[in-house]
Amino acid sequence: GENVEQHPSTLSVQEGDSAVIKCTYSDSASNYFPWYKQELGKGPQLIIDIRSNVGEKKDQRIAVTLNKTAKHFSLHITETQPEDSAVYFCADLNTGNQFYFGTGTSLTVIP
Amino acid sequence: SQTIHQWPATLVQPVGSPLSLECTVEGTSNPNLYWYRQAAGRGLQLLFYSVGIGQISSEVPQNLSASRPQDRQFILSSKKLLLSDSGFYLCAWSSGLGATQFFGPGTRLTVL
Repeated sequence: GENVEQHPSTLSVQEGDSAVIKCTYSDSASNYFPWYKQELGKGPQLIIDIRSNVGEKKDQRIAVTLNKTAKHFSLHITETQPEDSAVYFCADLNTGNQFYFGTGTSLTVIP
Repeated sequence: SQTIHQWPATLVQPVGSPLSLECTVEGTSNPNLYWYRQAAGRGLQLLFYSVGIGQISSEVPQNLSASRPQDRQFILSSKKLLLSDSGFYLCAWSSGLGATQFFGPGTRLTVL
């Protein structure tokens, strides 16, 4: 079955610095890659997504890059702020129309 | 716009007691509905999904069951809770298989 690995599991950055979270997947036919942000005690919220026909997508301070050859995709957060502190999950959609989620990255932005 | 609700927000139940968690979606028709469990510090485990009324697919064998009595209502149940059923339960919806999933606020279940 599909395998999605997410690194790092925890990440601490100083406010204003950038944060990068990376996920790798195994199904070369996967074609959709969303990222979710989960604040403590709440459900995950979609923050950005990318499809396999695009290499990069940006939304203000958030960007996602996709390398289909290497089968990995990354979330980039620039100019981090304390409110960016949360757990971030990646996911991919495989050929069976099933989503597989990474194990999450706990991001702490230190003021 | 679409909204998804889960009830209750938190629940503390003794071992062996029954369970019923409810999820409802507003603002859409014929959604696909999903139940996930999230153990502390871990990722999301898909438990059940439904593509229509009365249609339930189970992803893992377990002590839980799901039902979909109405188009926008999804219920997670158990006849007898186990300690290992503790966790954060998330309901999600999508417009179809392979479409983006949107999550509800979750239910924190503690089994004592």
